[in-house]
Amino acid sequence: DQQVKQNSPSLSVQEGRISILNCDYTNSMFDYFLWYKKYPAEGPTFLISISSIKDKNEDGRFTVFLNKSAKHLSLHIVPSQPGDSAVYFCAATYSGGYQKVTFGTGTKLQVIP
Amino acid sequence: KAGVTQTPRYLIKTRGQQVTLSCSPISGHRSVSWYQQTPGQGLQFLFEYFSETQRNKGNFPGRFSGRQFSNSRSEMNVSTLELGDSALYLCASSLGDREGLYGYTFGSGTRLTVV
Repeated sequence: DQQVKQNSPSLSVQEGRISILNCDYTNSMFDYFLWYKKYPAEGPTFLISISSIKDKNEDGRFTVFLNKSAKHLSLHIVPSQPGDSAVYFCAATYSGGYQKVTFGTGTKLQVIP
Repeated sequence: KAGVTQTPRYLIKTRGQQVTLSCSPISGHRSVSWYQQTPGQGLQFLFEYFSETQRNKGNFPGRFSGRQFSNSRSEMNVSTLELGDSALYLCASSLGDREGLYGYTFGSGTRLTVV
C-alpha cells in the first residue's frame, strides 16, 4: 500500500521556468512532510519540510504547498536551474512519535538549458 | 563533521549467499534507519534502530535483519539472497527524536547486485 504517491515519474522544464512537483498521501495521520533531492550515485539530501499547521513554506527558490483537505502537497522551484536536475522524493511522517518516514516513488526532474 | 559512511559502496553476490552492509552515522546521531531503493518503488523502509534497539520495522521478510552497536554504528544483513534483492541500500542517520523536524542525513548507499 503506497501511502505517499508521486504519480509523475518524470518532468522536463526549461531553465528559468517554474518546476512543479506533486505528491499525494493517503494516511491522514501524517502531519509532517519533507522533500528530498537525489543525484545519481549519492544519497538523498533534505531540501525543505512543512508541518500540517502551515499551508506554505519557502526557502529561497523552493516553496512547498500543503493542501490538507486534498491530502496533496507540491514543491515549486522558481526559477529552475540545470543543477536542479535530480530525482525528488516526497516523504511524510508523524511528528509526535518515533514513526518511520514514508517516501514516495520519486519524480525525475530534468531542467533543460 | 563527517557524514554518514556506508561500506562497501558496491557488492556483487550470488543467489543464496548472505551479505552484511555497514553504516556509520554522524557523530552524536543515535538513530539509524535503513531503506531499500529500487526503480519504480522509491525508498522502502526496512527498519530503524535507536540506542541499540529496533524501534520500527518495515514489511520485509525475516531474511532482512539488522543491529546497532553501542557506538551507534549499524549493520544490516540479508540472508539467502534472491535476485529481487538487487537494489541500492541506503542508511539514514538522525538525532532520533521527531525525525520529521530534523530530517535524515543519508549515506551514499551500497549498491547490491545479486546474480
